Amino acid sequence: SSELTQDPAVSVALGQTVRITCQGDSLRNYYASWYQQKPGQAPVLVIYGKNNRPSGIPDRFSGSSSGNTASLTITGAQAEDEADYYCNSRDSSGNHVLFGGGTKLTVL
Amino acid sequence: QVQLQQWGAGLLKPSETLSLTCAVYGGSFSDYYWNWIRQPPGKGLEWIGEINHSGSTTYNPSLKSRVTISVDTSKNQFSLKLTSVTAADTAVYYCAGAIFGVVIGYYYYYMDVWGKGTTVTVSS
Repeated sequence: SSELTQDPAVSVALGQTVRITCQGDSLRNYYASWYQQKPGQAPVLVIYGKNNRPSGIPDRFSGSSSGNTASLTITGAQAEDEADYYCNSRDSSGNHVLFGGGTKLTVL
Repeated sequence: QVQLQQWGAGLLKPSETLSLTCAVYGGSFSDYYWNWIRQPPGKGLEWIGEINHSGSTTYNPSLKSRVTISVDTSKNQFSLKLTSVTAADTAVYYCAGAIFGVVIGYYYYYMDVWGKGTTVTVSS
């Protein structure tokens, strides 16, 4: 399959933990990367590789993977984490790049 | 620290050709795979295509017939052309640089540098 599937929307109470998932066949061979996008801004990489954070990304963001599913976990969600989150990898053949449809995270 | 600066026409008429360029500053141009991504209003990210420093390209199958991505290594720039645009091509267009590799049999691919985006509107 050449798709990455995300839940369209997820909500979390302030300070609680939330997991955003991404499913796709390519994730059996690829680590997903995760991007945060706030309105009117370009996406920002938050997780890459097995579980790596770029400089400046808070350690409440973490990544994991099992089978064909990758997860982005935010432990102790903050109001500023409210955003759209996208997963990304290449397809199973390695020929094309995929993005998930995005998950809108609401922090209550 | 790699930075991207992108530019191009923001208003096009149907059937015209969209043309955008992205300049790369800092870092190593040859370390990255260079991508174009777009985002229609209120929608998600759509990958358009990718080029590496040696000029090898791959395109989204849904856009392949209309897309050309090229690279100018002498200027550390890469460009996007999309022909025969329609209103459906109205979007914010981003350039981005990706790192691609493998570790212990598992691949990684991530875009760690992005341009600010160019809003392209197609309207008669």
